[in-house]
Amino acid sequence: KNEVEQSPQNLTAQEGEFITINCSYSVGISALHWLQQHPGGGIVSLFMLSSGKKKHGRLIATINIQEKHSSLHITASHPRDSAVYICAVRFTGNQFYFGTGTSLTVIP
Amino acid sequence: DVKVTQSSRYLVKRTGEKVFLECVQDMDHENMFWYRQDPGLGLRLIYFSYDVKMKEKGDIPEGYSVSREKKERFSLILESASTNQTSMYLCASSTTGVYTEAFFGQGTRLTVV
Repeated sequence: KNEVEQSPQNLTAQEGEFITINCSYSVGISALHWLQQHPGGGIVSLFMLSSGKKKHGRLIATINIQEKHSSLHITASHPRDSAVYICAVRFTGNQFYFGTGTSLTVIP
Repeated sequence: DVKVTQSSRYLVKRTGEKVFLECVQDMDHENMFWYRQDPGLGLRLIYFSYDVKMKEKGDIPEGYSVSREKKERFSLILESASTNQTSMYLCASSTTGVYTEAFFGQGTRLTVV
């Protein structure tokens, strides 16, 4: 059983729409990461959160530790935002645990 | 910038071949990881290493081995490639500590025919 659940699995949006991707995890964590993977494979880190909210450009990530839930929001979405977004957590130790990813397509 | 480099972007190998996937990082990270990524399953940990010559099995180590003779290099070995090992393989590295990021290589798409 995957201890990190993401939703939705697939998402199609029109350019300009506000997008939300959700991540839930089962036990207490030390930190949560949002990652982006473009076609071709490479993964880059967008955010690392242990509490509250972070913003970078049109991307906003929030985390609610009590509810074991995080959201990634994209404002004014653009076709170049099309990618797979992956939630990852660290409980203790050095390992990461990953959600299965949300495939986002933004249509012009 | 941290760089994690995987030796190949695409590989095609025959069933039964021994396959080496190489990963090099340039930031003196203690931890290195090998994952495979399959549709609907996400990233699954094959092996990780927290120091030179140290290795730990991940969730799916069967059919794989690893080698870490130098801190910067972590190799994944498929002793006898099989078609069910066709996948995207991703290497990552990080420093020790729960508030550190993982840095990923560009991935190797391996096809076993």
